Amino acid sequence: AQRVTQPEKLLSVFKGAPVELKCNYSYSGSPELFWYVQYSRQRLQLLLRHISRESIKGFTADLNKGETSFHLKKPFAQEEDSAMYYCALSVSGGYQKVTFGTGTKLQVIP
Amino acid sequence: ETGVTQSPTHLIKTRGQQVTLRCSSQSGHNTVSWYQQALGQGPQFIFQYYREEENGRGNFPPRFSGLQFPNYSSELNVNALELDDSALYLCASSFVSDTQYFGPGTRLTVL
Repeated sequence: AQRVTQPEKLLSVFKGAPVELKCNYSYSGSPELFWYVQYSRQRLQLLLRHISRESIKGFTADLNKGETSFHLKKPFAQEEDSAMYYCALSVSGGYQKVTFGTGTKLQVIP
Repeated sequence: ETGVTQSPTHLIKTRGQQVTLRCSSQSGHNTVSWYQQALGQGPQFIFQYYREEENGRGNFPPRFSGLQFPNYSSELNVNALELDDSALYLCASSFVSDTQYFGPGTRLTVL
């Protein structure tokens, strides 16, 4: 069974400071990893997926299969980054089942 | 392009009742997934519908059932409601196994 762990419920950083949101996963095969973000009063939306290797809003995430991690990073936090962030893992086997972590609330202090 | 919509926004039911939640998928999408998000938790996969058939299910009892219609919209039905069913129910649509786009959710309260 797949599992996603986000160890921090809340992460507070000052504006301009680096951000790292941790995500570890467990799955024996080759999953697809995602980060979803939910801004205040908005719906859950995809931030980035590991296969696209994109940088969205300055965020990047590298899949480390050895450490089974997919940490989200940004060099300089902005106030508008304050939101709830969910790491998710997708396994395709006839259907796409997405397993989410419990989320980390990022609070950027002005 | 119309995004994913869900109705109703909020719902209050009592234990033992039945509830139906609705989801309209995004234009061009043929797959709908349903999730339950309890307070302080991440979304939990309930099931997925593709071509009007359930093609995957998470760890939810049979009293959680669904339908997908020819226009790819979907319903989630929950029978014999329990207090623990109180949660935000999210619908997500996609084109097969591409990126899932989420609706705003339906907040269900069971008293």
